[in-house]
Amino acid sequence: DAGVIQSPRHEVTEMGQEVTLRCKPISGHNSLFWYRQTMMRGLELLIYFNNNVPIDDSGMPEDRFSAKMPNASFSTLKIQPSEPRDSAVYFCASTSYWASYFGSGTRLTVV
Amino acid sequence: GESVGLHLPTLSVQEGDNSIINCAYSNSASDYFIWYKQESGKGPQFIIDIRSNMDKRQGQRVTVLLNKTVKHLSLQIAATQPGDSAVYFCAENSGSGSEKLVFGKGTKLTVNP
Repeated sequence: DAGVIQSPRHEVTEMGQEVTLRCKPISGHNSLFWYRQTMMRGLELLIYFNNNVPIDDSGMPEDRFSAKMPNASFSTLKIQPSEPRDSAVYFCASTSYWASYFGSGTRLTVV
Repeated sequence: GESVGLHLPTLSVQEGDNSIINCAYSNSASDYFIWYKQESGKGPQFIIDIRSNMDKRQGQRVTVLLNKTVKHLSLQIAATQPGDSAVYFCAENSGSGSEKLVFGKGTKLTVNP
């Protein structure tokens, strides 16, 4: 298995632009998590899905952030409009029996 | 004063020595724990897990110990190698059927050749 696949690996965008991050979970895993990692706050859970349904989005910072999981093999995290404080590494992880496996992350820089 | 980010605990060891990384957790209802390794520029990598009905579990060169009485978790790495240099996170599952993990702040391990 190729593991959790995230794209793009790096994204540089201007403030105000829309950013879409993509994730393909491990086949057969039924839960998917989006995290954000910064030096200031460490690893923060943004949202997680179980069987494609959002279960807990209490970590989503504000309405500018949205996430979807249209099917078991694909999820997106969208930021619109983006702001410099959104700069971070965003990780997607999929879970089997409580063990989460992470992708390589998307490093987002908003200038 | 100005905040410069999380102050990670650090551990520096010599190659070949054993390493012990500690983690305190706060939720007595947590019933599942995982250790992750994160190398620079990569995502956290699953190392080993343990359920609350166990107090010790061994993997290849790694051992996790769980002390539920004092809510303490440790990761022992035998014969530490330069490739073990990374940030290590413990994570706990809060129980109640949720798969949500709560991560600790991490410990930076540096292995000196």
